Amino acid sequence: SQQGEEDPQALSIQEGENATMNCSYKTSINNLQWYRQNSGRGLVHLILIRSNEREKHSGRLRVTLDTSKKSSSLLITASRAADTASYFCATDADGGSNYKLTFGKGTLLTVNP
Amino acid sequence: KAGVTQTPRYLIKTRGQQVTLSCSPISGHRSVSWYQQTPGQGLQFLFEYFSETQRNKGNFPGRFSGRQFSNSRSEMNVSTLELGDSALYLCASSFLQGANTEAFFGQGTRLTVV
Repeated sequence: SQQGEEDPQALSIQEGENATMNCSYKTSINNLQWYRQNSGRGLVHLILIRSNEREKHSGRLRVTLDTSKKSSSLLITASRAADTASYFCATDADGGSNYKLTFGKGTLLTVNP
Repeated sequence: KAGVTQTPRYLIKTRGQQVTLSCSPISGHRSVSWYQQTPGQGLQFLFEYFSETQRNKGNFPGRFSGRQFSNSRSEMNVSTLELGDSALYLCASSFLQGANTEAFFGQGTRLTVV
């Protein structure tokens, strides 16, 4: 079953605009990771945020985590056409010796030049 | 450092056949996980191996199996292929230092069953 649910399912913006994607999950987690996938290829790791962290930055990416609401958001600032991809959140609920990621269905982001 | 390498990239098989997919993790990573991605079900966990032991298994039939070798390379096997097994199969490798660790994925193997 899907632990995470991304929202919106699809997002279309113009180059230079910011894109915000949200992820909700159901159970307690150890960490949450965001990935990018270009057109049916492999997943590219973007960022990991631990359950005791509230915000994390990496370049043009900003991730927030609200464990009380069981939700996370990914903000991409100053978007580029190359950011066009599907974005997934993945949660690790077990952690430690039972490593298993549970993914949401993803948000398809289209950045128009 | 080389990334996660999956071979082959593409496969076409006939119903009833079996297939073996290979994954070489990032050097030094001992945990290898496998995921199936389909348009209908999304990304689903298959199994995870650590030090040649399967530690966790997803909700897939016994036709799906895997193993890990002493050099951490992993293979997964699907026997008696069905049309519904057509999917992108992704392998992830992790260093697993503590509970908070990133998983890095390969480019995947696109399996088409006809």
